[in-house]
Amino acid sequence: EAGVVQSPRYKIIEKKQPVAFWCNPISGHNTLYWYLQNLGQGPELLIRYENEEAVDDSQLPKDRFSAERLKGVDSTLKIQPAELGDSAVYLCASSLAGSYNEQFFGPGTRLTVL
Amino acid sequence: GEDVEQSLFLSVREGDSSVINCTYTDSSSTYLYWYKQEPGAGLQLLTYIFSNMDMKQDQRLTVLLNKKDKHLSLRIADTQTGDSAIYFCAEGGNDYKLSFGAGTTVTVRA
Repeated sequence: EAGVVQSPRYKIIEKKQPVAFWCNPISGHNTLYWYLQNLGQGPELLIRYENEEAVDDSQLPKDRFSAERLKGVDSTLKIQPAELGDSAVYLCASSLAGSYNEQFFGPGTRLTVL
Repeated sequence: GEDVEQSLFLSVREGDSSVINCTYTDSSSTYLYWYKQEPGAGLQLLTYIFSNMDMKQDQRLTVLLNKKDKHLSLRIADTQTGDSAIYFCAEGGNDYKLSFGAGTTVTVRA
């Protein structure tokens, strides 16, 4: 069974440029999460989707970040414009609605903003 | 996050037991989790414990939960070089939101 797929794995851009990350969750997983992981820190939730609906985007900086999951399957996270402080690893995870909420994580996209 | 705290580093000799400790603040936590992250990889769920349990054992892994003190620990028996990684403690409720600690880097030396 394929795991959570993310692309690209690495991205280097200059500040003020736009960037987009793509995630394909595990087949059949209706819940999708985007996390931000800064160096030396644990992941922090940016947004959670139930199917195509963003049910928790309270931590998403909406002035520059946006996300979509149009058909309730794969998802895109965008930053426009990127700032130096956005350099981090962006993790995608997915899960089935269940009693203990096991979240399966992708390998992440490491973003470097110069 | 600031709601979950862990020691940052642990060095252990191969074959010995490792114990990683975690404290959390949210008394309404329903589940507590241990995740493992290897270099360049995402997080992998190792084990979890429901908040009404005080111990769970799964092969080489033993999780102890002291709900009164909000203290969680993970013991890895017979630690191997493949256990070198960052271990994250996380707590969550019924709203699917997880709060992670900053991670404990475990280094296994020969």
